[in-house]
Parts: sequence; structure tokens; C-alpha cells
Amino acid sequence: AAGVIQSPRHLIKEKRETATLKCYPIPRHDTVYWYQQGPGQDPQFLISFYEKMQSDKGSIPDRFSAQQFSDYHSELNMSSLELGDSALYFCASSLLSGLGNTIYFGEGSWLTVV
Amino acid sequence: SQQGEEDPQALSIQEGENATMNCSYKTSINNLQWYRQNSGRGLVHLILIRSNEREKHSGRLRVTLDTSKKSSSLLITASRAADTASYFCATSYNNNDMRFGAGTRLTVKP
Repeated sequence: AAGVIQSPRHLIKEKRETATLKCYPIPRHDTVYWYQQGPGQDPQFLISFYEKMQSDKGSIPDRFSAQQFSDYHSELNMSSLELGDSALYFCASSLLSGLGNTIYFGEGSWLTVV
Repeated sequence: SQQGEEDPQALSIQEGENATMNCSYKTSINNLQWYRQNSGRGLVHLILIRSNEREKHSGRLRVTLDTSKKSSSLLITASRAADTASYFCATSYNNNDMRFGAGTRLTVKP
């Protein structure tokens, strides 16, 4: 079965540069989530989108922005990168329905800021 | 963590033993999910329990939910070395977000 696809899987950027991560949700899923997981840390919720509209916002820095496109894929844009942005970035998707919706995660994109 | 705490933070057991991990959360929830993560890899969904459910089983997994105490437990029976991983609970209130606990690092020794 198709899973959540993230690209690139690994990315190295210098401080103050910009990075863009892409996420392709499971087909027919209408909700996309972004998470950041620092080394040895638990995943931190950044932002989510439902039907291409931002639905919730977590610990996302002002330097970061995200959007969901008409084909439901999403992109996380990170500007003025800092060393502390080095982390594993997860995208997840779900079909928003009823009381509970299983959220499926991609393998993540490793961002290293040097 | 964004939502609550898990205990223990680390657990080491022998193969064949049972492993119990607990998760506490702070706000009202719609559902709670458990995930496992091998080092540096993606999160794998294990089981979802809704706020109106008290217990759920899936294979060697048993999850309980006590909304009055705002806590959940994950029991892995007859553990195997391949169960070695980090286990996270995650809670959702409005279905638009999900907050993770700090995770339990489980080591199963062969």
C-alpha cells in the first residue's frame, strides 16, 4: 500500500540558508501534519493542514512556513536556518473522519545545518 | 514534551518477559495512539484507542485508557529482541493536531 512519501531524505544546508521539504500524503488523505524531532527528543508538532487550509499550529518558528497544494502535497519552507534546526522532520497524513483517525508517518527528512 | 510524560523513560527486559509502558497527558483528548520508532527511522503506528474505549488489543499489544486519570498504558507480552525501539504515545483533541509524549526506550535482551 502507498505510504507517506517525503523528500529529500537527507539535506545539508549552511546557516542562514533556506531549505524546502516536500511531503506526499497517502492518496485520498485530506490532512497533513508536520513534526520536528531533534536528536534524542520526542516529536514536536509544528503545523497541520486540512483540505489545503491550515488547521492547527504548534511549535513552528516564524522562520518556517508551510502550505498544502491542490494535489494535497505539502511543503515546509525553512529560512534563515540555524544550527538548532538540525533535526528529523516528519510528515504525516490522515483521513479526517469520525472520532479517531489513524495518522501515518513518512520516514522523515534529515536536515543537517552546518 | 508537548503533551505529557511517559514512564519509564527507559526499560530493559529479557526476551519473553512482558513490558509495560505508561503515558500521562494533560488535556482532554479525542483519541490516543501508540507509536514505535527504531533509531533514526519513521514512526510506526501501533494502535489507536478512542476516548470512549477502555481497553484494546492487537496481537501481543494491549492498551488501556483511563480518562479520569488522564493516563494510558501499553503492554507488550512475550517480548522479542525485535521489539527493541522507542515507544511514544500521542494524543489528539480536535483531530487536527497530535501531541507526543517523551517516549520510552525499550531494550529487549536476547
